[in-house]
Amino acid sequence: NAGVTQTPKFRVLKTGQSMTLLCAQDMNHEYMYWYRQDPGMGLRLIHYSVGEGTTAKGEVPDGYNVSRLKKQNFLLGLESAAPSQTSVYFCASSYSGGAPFGELFFGEGSRLTVL
Amino acid sequence: GESVGLHLPTLSVQEGDNSIINCAYSNSASDYFIWYKQESGKGPQFIIDIRSNMDKRQGQRVTVLLNKTVKHLSLQIAATQPGDSAVYFCAETVTGGFKTIFGAGTRLFVKA
Repeated sequence: NAGVTQTPKFRVLKTGQSMTLLCAQDMNHEYMYWYRQDPGMGLRLIHYSVGEGTTAKGEVPDGYNVSRLKKQNFLLGLESAAPSQTSVYFCASSYSGGAPFGELFFGEGSRLTVL
Repeated sequence: GESVGLHLPTLSVQEGDNSIINCAYSNSASDYFIWYKQESGKGPQFIIDIRSNMDKRQGQRVTVLLNKTVKHLSLQIAATQPGDSAVYFCAETVTGGFKTIFGAGTRLFVKA
């Protein structure tokens, strides 16, 4: 079982370039999330999805867009990358929100550097 | 385990000792709490969870304590091992809600 897979694992962008991070999960989870993690800080929620075709904003959504066209995939897009978006991005999925099956399963992370 | 900006709180313990990692959560409506462990270069992994109708839950070598009165969680690790070295995050959520909010994390160093 692969669990949650993120691609790419590393990427360097120039300011103003665009890119898409792909997240795929094989656990048939309804809920999927994108977090960013900056040095010395916890994870901050960017966007999330509670099912195929639905997305919603998290704590720090500005500068990002997402799509969930298929249940197993959740895409995070940067239309015009900025240095402030240099971070490690984590995708996660869960069976439900909150108890009893609300634990998050995380991917290995995607390290993005914007020059 | 509270945030101090860019510098993670750090706990250093001797191998074999017990570790206690603390966390203050923010939302009094949160009713489900999880501790995650993040090793270097990896994504966070589930350790143990607790619902708000409990004040203690035990797993294998780990215990979580919940004090709702002061909105405080703690993670106790018994007989700490070098493999326990990692960053530990507490997370809170509201059942039926869609957002899990993470604390800033605590770095645990285990000295052999």
